[in-house]
Amino acid sequence: GENVEQHPSTLSVQEGDSAVIKCTYSDSASNYFPWYKQELGKRPQLIIDIRSNVGEKKDQRIAVTLNKTAKHFSLHITETQPEDSAVYFCAATGLDTGRRALTFGSGTRLQVQP
Amino acid sequence: GAVVSQHPSRVICKSGTSVKIECRSLDFQATTMFWYRQFPKKSLMLMATSNEGSKATYEQGVEKDKFLINHASLTLSTLTVTSAHPEDSSFYICSAYPGAGQGNYGYTFGSGTRLTVV
Repeated sequence: GENVEQHPSTLSVQEGDSAVIKCTYSDSASNYFPWYKQELGKRPQLIIDIRSNVGEKKDQRIAVTLNKTAKHFSLHITETQPEDSAVYFCAATGLDTGRRALTFGSGTRLQVQP
Repeated sequence: GAVVSQHPSRVICKSGTSVKIECRSLDFQATTMFWYRQFPKKSLMLMATSNEGSKATYEQGVEKDKFLINHASLTLSTLTVTSAHPEDSSFYICSAYPGAGQGNYGYTFGSGTRLTVV
C-alpha cells in the first residue's frame, strides 16, 4: 500500500517569511496529491491539490510542486500570516474511481510568530 | 460544493455501551465512504472503506466486530463502536469522494465526532 512521509513535524516562522513542507510517497500509481489544513478539533480543509500530470500549481500565497520521478511533493506558503498557524497534512492516492482512500502524512504543526 | 454531514459532533458514553456515528452526503451520492480515526496530535489513520450495498473493507489491525460499518444507501454510512472502552476515545471522521460527474471538490470530510468513553 501507499506510504507517505512528511517533514518537518513542527515549523516555526516569522510573519511574512515563507514556509515549506515536504512529503514523499511510495506508490508510483498515486496520481493525486492534496494538502489539508486542520485546526484543533475541526475537519481537514483542502487548501490545494495537484495531479500527476502537472509539476506545479499555485493559488495566491500557496503553491505545490510535484516531482514524480523522485516521488516527492512540497507545499510552499509565502508571506505567512498568523492565521496560517495550524496543522498541515499532505496526502496521496490513486484518483481513478474515488474508491481509494487518501493516505496521509504525519502532519506538520506550523506556527507563525507575529 | 459537496457536503458531508456527520453526527454527533461530540459524544460521551460509558464503558461497555455502543455508540453510532452517522455520515450523510447531502448533495451527492457517496458510493464509497472512508472512515478515519485521529488521536490527539496525530495523523488520520484509515480504519475502513465502506461501500454502498456491500461489506466494508477493514484495514489491518481494525476489529470489524468492534467497529461495525453499514452503508445502506448512497447517502448514508454509519460507524458503530460496540462495547466501547476508554482506549476507543478518539476523533472519528468520515470522508467521501463525489466522483466523476458530481463536481470536482476533491475528497470531502465530515465535521468529525469526538468520542469520549468514561
